[in-house]
Amino acid sequence: DQQVKQNSPSLSVQEGRISILNCDYTNSMFDYFLWYKKYPAEGPTFLISISSIKDKNEDGRFTVFLNKSAKHLSLHIVPSQPGDSAVYFCAASVSNYQLIWGAGTKLIIKP
Amino acid sequence: GAGVSQTPSNKVTEKGKYVELRCDPISGHTALYWYRQSLGQGPEFLIYFQGTGAADDSGLPNDRFFAVRPEGSVSTLKIQRTERGDSAVYLCASSPDKNYGYTFGSGTRLTVV
Repeated sequence: DQQVKQNSPSLSVQEGRISILNCDYTNSMFDYFLWYKKYPAEGPTFLISISSIKDKNEDGRFTVFLNKSAKHLSLHIVPSQPGDSAVYFCAASVSNYQLIWGAGTKLIIKP
Repeated sequence: GAGVSQTPSNKVTEKGKYVELRCDPISGHTALYWYRQSLGQGPEFLIYFQGTGAADDSGLPNDRFFAVRPEGSVSTLKIQRTERGDSAVYLCASSPDKNYGYTFGSGTRLTVV
């Protein structure tokens, strides 16, 4: 049973536009959510996170929104740049070290 | 070193053989994690070390898998009697303490033929 789901395997967005990556979860005990970015042949790198007590967290071009009632979070990238092309993973935790990950969404930024 | 180093980057082994995967964490990081990522999936937790001890090994799939961190720095993931289903990328991460601020290595791609 997948507790963290990323239903879009891939997403293609025009450079300069907004990229919206979505993630759904089933476990209401999750209290911390993170987004990681992964380039080929590299390990995932931490991008942005949000605690369950908040509904929005912003860092530069990246904003994460959390809707606890819908058990849904999203990552917005504005404006999208070619270097943003990567696989994005959503992850969640009920403890402070073990992460449960989604399957990832491949983001392609078109010039 | 500056980052988390994993060796080898690629390993091909025959079914039934024994393999060791090495992880060199960032100097001073007390927490170390092993994850496994199969094709088309997100990483899956295997084991967490705090210092020299395995604080949580609940993610190890069976007793063919074992990991050590004898001096609280380098860790080795050991897989006995490898099976084709063990083929995956094995990721190591470290952090200053148990928190979410992991730094991942580039992983070891294990292929069992």
